[in-house]
This record gives sequence, structure tokens and C-alpha cells, in this order.
Amino acid sequence: DSGVTQTPKHLITATGQRVTLRCSPRSGDLSVYWYQQSLDQGLQFLIQYYNGEERAKGNILERFSAQQFPDLHSELNLSSLELGDSALYFCASSGQGGQGSVFFGSGTQLSVL
Amino acid sequence: QKEVEQDPGPLSVPEGAIVSLNCTYSNSAFQYFMWYRQYSRKGPELLMYTYSSGNKEDGRFTAQVDKSSKYISLFIRDSQPSDSATYLCAMFQTGANNLFFGTGTRLTVIP
Repeated sequence: DSGVTQTPKHLITATGQRVTLRCSPRSGDLSVYWYQQSLDQGLQFLIQYYNGEERAKGNILERFSAQQFPDLHSELNLSSLELGDSALYFCASSGQGGQGSVFFGSGTQLSVL
Repeated sequence: QKEVEQDPGPLSVPEGAIVSLNCTYSNSAFQYFMWYRQYSRKGPELLMYTYSSGNKEDGRFTAQVDKSSKYISLFIRDSQPSDSATYLCAMFQTGANNLFFGTGTRLTVIP
């Protein structure tokens, strides 16, 4: 167990809908990262937060947004969902300053039908 | 040019073999290097973490970093069928906020 908790584990929804994925980082970790992994594809970096502030943005669509709350948990919001958004979404966390070991959660499998 | 290059394989070896997995990178500012193991549709599991150049050993796993060649390796000794997974290298630079991943090498260890 990495200590990073993601909910829900599975999510099935329809095109055009909006969903929220939740992540609780390891105790004490200030940085949260979100990644997308489509079938048989590599990990695509979406966005990073550090202690509530956005620190870096990757290839995140405008339909997607995220935030990190004062208790350090993070949510990734996906709206106007399309079939191509079906993927595994991973959250990861790391310690102070974002340096050092980065640990991943078990992911949320999103299926858009 | 991609920041991190990794041979996707697939790589098949017999049980007990020594496995060598490699990545090259282009950004000389990378200082932190990691190897992850990912079983199918599961979260990547951190195997090894190395700062700067040198070797690090943990059980059957050895990570090597050669910054002069911008080349990192993961060696698995006495490979087991349970080692069958996709191995991802990852790295980032001091002060940066993005972890750069290789595309992963799919390894199968045949009993």
C-alpha cells in the first residue's frame, strides 16, 4: 500500500457528463500529481499542486480542472466527457518541495459510454 | 526529441536470468531518477530512487545512473515470473514540478 488513496476505483458514465475523482495523498505529502493512462499508453502528466497551489500543468484539456484543498486532498474534475476520455487516472504524491520519492495511488478507471 | 526514451520491448527472459532495462534522457539537469513497476491496470509501484550518479542496490534490484552518458539502468537478478510487469523509468530536476516518464518496457519472465 503506497498510502495514496483514490476514490472511486471504477466510474462508468455517459458522454457529456461530468465526474469528480478524489485523491488523498500520503500523510505529510504536500505535492499531488494527476496522470492519465489510456489503454496500453504511457503516463501522461496532467497537473501538479503543491500545498494548495497549482505548480505545473501538462497536457490537461480545458474541460478538465483540478484543485487541492486545505486538508491537502485533491479532486480532478472532468466535464463534457467524450469517449476518448476513458482511461486510468492516477494520483501521486511526494514530500516537501516535490523532491524525492513519488508514490502512486491505485487509480480510478473511468469508462465513458 | 522526447525528454526520456525507453525501449518498449516486449522483453521475454527465462526464469533466473539477469534482466537489464535502460533509459536515456536529454535534459542534463535531471537529478532524481526512479524506477517503477506496473502490473496490468494497477498503480505504478516505486522500486528504486536514486539521486545523481552512482549505483543503488536493493535485494535483487540494482539501479545505475550515468549522468555523463545520460543513461540509467535497472538490473534484476534471478528474475522470477512475478517480475513480469511493465517497468517505467522516471526522472526530474531540482526545483521542477513535473516527473518525466519513459513509455515503459514490458517484461515477461518465463517459468
